[in-house]
This record gives sequence, structure tokens and C-alpha cells, in this order.
Amino acid sequence: DVKVTQSSRYLVKRTGEKVFLECVQDMDHENMFWYRQDPGLGLRLIYFSYDVKMKEKGDIPEGYSVSREKKERFSLILESASTNQTSMYLCASSLPTGLNNEQYFGPGTRLTVT
Amino acid sequence: AQSVTQLDSHVSVSEGTPVLLRCNYSSSYSPSLFWYVQHPNKGLQLLLKYTSAATLVKGINGFEAEFKKSETSFHLTKPSAHMSDAAEYFCVVPKGGTYKYIFGTGTRLKVLA
Repeated sequence: DVKVTQSSRYLVKRTGEKVFLECVQDMDHENMFWYRQDPGLGLRLIYFSYDVKMKEKGDIPEGYSVSREKKERFSLILESASTNQTSMYLCASSLPTGLNNEQYFGPGTRLTVT
Repeated sequence: AQSVTQLDSHVSVSEGTPVLLRCNYSSSYSPSLFWYVQHPNKGLQLLLKYTSAATLVKGINGFEAEFKKSETSFHLTKPSAHMSDAAEYFCVVPKGGTYKYIFGTGTRLKVLA
């Protein structure tokens, strides 16, 4: 069974803080993704990575950066947290999509920025 | 270009009655399609996937979906709703030629006692 874990289920941070959200998968997947989910807006892709040290911007990368130093770990960084980054953050992993493989999701981190 | 449209944002059914959640897709070729379920404050869990092996796909928890190319549909069904089925459901298609996935806007299923 694929397992994707996220470092925190709930997180409260102050405006201006640097925030790290960690994601680890245990199935040797090449692809990893960070989404945010907001009511009425659905899931929006922030960044994804298709290999170690490789990353591409998603649809809403502004205010975020990522790091993938090891295949199993993909970190999302909020350089200076703002209240509009309060959201549910979901990490996912998959084998390459060219093979029609599904994504596996972590449990999510609900981040509140005050 | 691929896209998915979930036709209902909210669906309410009584416990024990059938469930139908509708998804239409747009694609220039026969795509893979997925249904995911998300319970409150949880991540998304794969219910089932279609990858052209069989048009009727059975998933977990008694759900199934039928791929109908002529109707460009992939509707999710269950013969008898259970209270634990109350959740949000997403229809998803991989975006061909990229690493990305396209998510429907979700259908929130309410199950009435």
C-alpha cells in the first residue's frame, strides 16, 4: 500500500513567518505534487516535481517555493506567510502520468495564518 | 484539450437508495479517468479508475462507474447509499503530455437518515 504522509495535520503560524510543509512517500514515485484546496475553488496545483531536484510551477506558485533533495521527500515552503495562504494543503505522488497512473494523496495539512 | 465537468455540485439521497454522481469528460482520445472521495478534513482516496481495459469499473465500498465513449461520460454509481458515503467526490483526468491532472469541481454527497 502506498503511503503519503504529511508532517502536520494542523498548523497555526503568524504573518511573516517562514513555513515548511513536509511530505514523504514510500513507493519510490517519480512525481510529487503540492495542491491547495479552498472552498469554491477546488484543488489548485502549486508546484510539482518529476524527479529529484526537478520542479515545475503549477497554476498558483506565487508566494511558494519547493525543495526535493531526495526522491521520497517534497517540501513546500512559504517564504513569508500571509493570511491569504490560510488553506488546506494536500501532497500527492504518482508514477509518471504517461502510464495513466493515479495519484496518491496525503491526509492534508490545514494551515491557518494569523 | 482534456477537461472534466461534474454536473452536480450537491447531491442528496436517502440512506439505502441509489447514488448517481455525474461526470462528463472532453478529450481528443480515450483517456484514463479516476474517481476520488474526500471525507471531511481528510486527503483524497482513490475509489476507482478507468484505463480502457473494461468499460464498467468496480471500485471500493460498492461504487462502480461506466465509461461511455458515445456520451463522453463516466458517472459514478452505488446501488444503496450508506451514511458513511457522505463526502465530496472528484472526477479526475490526466492532462495528456504533461505531469498534471485535471480535477472536476467536486460533488458533495449528503446521505439522509
